[in-house]
Amino acid sequence: GAGVSQTPSNKVTEKGKYVELRCDPISGHTALYWYRQSLGQGPEFLIYFQGTGAADDSGLPNDRFFAVRPEGSVSTLKIQRTERGDSAVYLCASSLRGRDNSPLHFGNGTRLTVT
Amino acid sequence: AQKITQTQPGMFVQEKEAVTLDCTYDTSDQSYGLFWYKQPSSGEMIFLIYQGSYDEQNATEGRYSLNFQKARKSANLVISASQLGDSAMYFCAMREGTSGGGADGLTFGKGTHLIIQP
Repeated sequence: GAGVSQTPSNKVTEKGKYVELRCDPISGHTALYWYRQSLGQGPEFLIYFQGTGAADDSGLPNDRFFAVRPEGSVSTLKIQRTERGDSAVYLCASSLRGRDNSPLHFGNGTRLTVT
Repeated sequence: AQKITQTQPGMFVQEKEAVTLDCTYDTSDQSYGLFWYKQPSSGEMIFLIYQGSYDEQNATEGRYSLNFQKARKSANLVISASQLGDSAMYFCAMREGTSGGGADGLTFGKGTHLIIQP
């Protein structure tokens, strides 16, 4: 079956611009996560959705970052007034239920470059 | 303090040898889960193996096994009979049992870059 799909795969934007990154999770997965991975580092947690609601957004670095999942499926990560330090690979993952031993299934990520 | 520590930034191993990748963790929860992921140069994160804190047996999945030592808070990944295709970054991760502070997701270590040599 289809895995987690992320679009675009690459995004180059200028400092100060607004970007949206999309994630389409595995069908039937109620839990959705966003992570950010900088070069040479492990993924860093940003936000977790259970259904439509953000159950934990404690990893969002500041108020320029926002994410939505209005119908409990597709999610969009939104970054306002981008900065060069936002450059990273943004990974989306989904799992069957969350908060148990079901593994996270990751997409291939969106590589964001802020120039 | 770091929740997940992987002390080997890089490892070179001869093909067909067994490999042990180290992982120690820090939690005060009684209920938690430990995961290992593989990330090849293509960038995808591939789930390998899971160990629950209450599991009495070490987890095994094909050539992968997890050497779980609860008292030492270690969860080392063992790869038997390594293959060239095993060359990748390997990440240890933990999900804690209580809510708050990103605990609903996984906390990852910094990873170990494994290179299998022919």
